[in-house]
Amino acid sequence: EPEVTQTPSHQVTQMGQEVILRCVPISNHLYFYWYRQILGQKVEFLVSFYNNEISEKSEIFDDQFSVERPDGSNFTLKIRSTKLEDSAMYFCASRGTGSSYEQYFGPGTRLTVT
Amino acid sequence: AQSVTQPDIHITVSEGASLELRCNYSYGATPYLFWYVQSPGQGLQLLLKYFSGDTLVQGIKGFEAEFKRSQSSFNLRKPSVHWSDAAEYFCAVGALSSGFQKLVFGTGTRLLVSP
Repeated sequence: EPEVTQTPSHQVTQMGQEVILRCVPISNHLYFYWYRQILGQKVEFLVSFYNNEISEKSEIFDDQFSVERPDGSNFTLKIRSTKLEDSAMYFCASRGTGSSYEQYFGPGTRLTVT
Repeated sequence: AQSVTQPDIHITVSEGASLELRCNYSYGATPYLFWYVQSPGQGLQLLLKYFSGDTLVQGIKGFEAEFKRSQSSFNLRKPSVHWSDAAEYFCAVGALSSGFQKLVFGTGTRLLVSP
């Protein structure tokens, strides 16, 4: 069964450093998403991406964040200068073009900023 | 704005007993509703979804949920809980914005299963 994959599973970085979180969505999906979950809190929407551009972003997704689909398979989230409060689990999701609107989630990347 | 409320933070159920997890949503139009499960250290797995039609939907692992428009609810049920069901359960509503959907999640309910 096709699945969304994410790398790395755990990333530790120092405050102020740049990080890139990588995702490989399901191959025939066209809509891509990033969500995050701060420890003990709910899952929050960050950004949606379609046709090589951002379709919607949340208030969390400020200028420090960017997304890119550099090739036909990867979808990345970059945080330019990490802050302590960026520590969270980051989930990538994708969905197809059908009417089901199901989003399929990857296993997540745990980002720890020290 | 869309929102989802899961009033129970923790629930403990004995193995073999029935389960109901509550979810209430706020959304102006007909909602797309989902239940996801998250096992410790794992990602989010879709249990079931509701878009239209029959208000009682069946999902994986023996779960079902009932959409009640009059109560703005989408409660998750299972007739007999297994120890492996211990996990965190998230209700979510799909919010359409310019045709692109994001999911708005509730705060989750942690299910503990006692022997």
